[in-house]
Amino acid sequence: ELKVEQNPLFLSMQEGKNYTIYCNYSTTSDRLYWYRQDPGKSLESLFVLLSNGAVKQEGRLMASLDTKARLSTLHITAAVHDLSATYFCAVDSLTGAQKLVFGQGTRLTINP
Amino acid sequence: DAGITQSPRHKVTETGTPVTLRCHQTENHRYMYWYRQDPGHGLRLIHYSYGVKDTDKGEVSDGYSVSRSKTEDFLLTLESATSSQTSVYFCAIRKTRDRVHEQFFGPGTRLTVL
Repeated sequence: ELKVEQNPLFLSMQEGKNYTIYCNYSTTSDRLYWYRQDPGKSLESLFVLLSNGAVKQEGRLMASLDTKARLSTLHITAAVHDLSATYFCAVDSLTGAQKLVFGQGTRLTINP
Repeated sequence: DAGITQSPRHKVTETGTPVTLRCHQTENHRYMYWYRQDPGHGLRLIHYSYGVKDTDKGEVSDGYSVSRSKTEDFLLTLESATSSQTSVYFCAIRKTRDRVHEQFFGPGTRLTVL
């Protein structure tokens, strides 16, 4: 059974700092997704990672995938307040129909 | 805007009553999904559909049923609601572009079962 774990679950950081959110998963998959959720809102797709070594970047966010280590990272560079949100990773269980298993989410708060 | 609407957006009901949530899409996508979101659990898949009248169970399907009689509508029914089904429910559609599948989520329905 696929399990997905994120850490940390809560992260409070200052503007201008760098930090990384980790997403570990327990069974083989090469399809991983990152989403952002603002309070009371829906999920917004950030990145789609589909192979070992995949790296995607958008603004101050960069996501990577290491399928051998079963690990994805979401790196935040020079954080700004607007990046405050909850971030989820989701892994395709590869059992068909793109059944996603989500991590618990990382609540990121960026303070001035 | 992913072209997905959910109704109702908020509902309060009592234990033992039936509840139906509706997900409507405007773009004719084949795959649709129902998830629930609870603190500490992320999102968990309840049921999904891969076409009209074609549905299957997800991770947490007990106590839920679904139906899809038209491509655009995917209904989630709680036959007899329980307090443990208090949650935020999200519908998603799967879009495919350049052979890459990606799920996009509706605005959610907040359900409270008293």
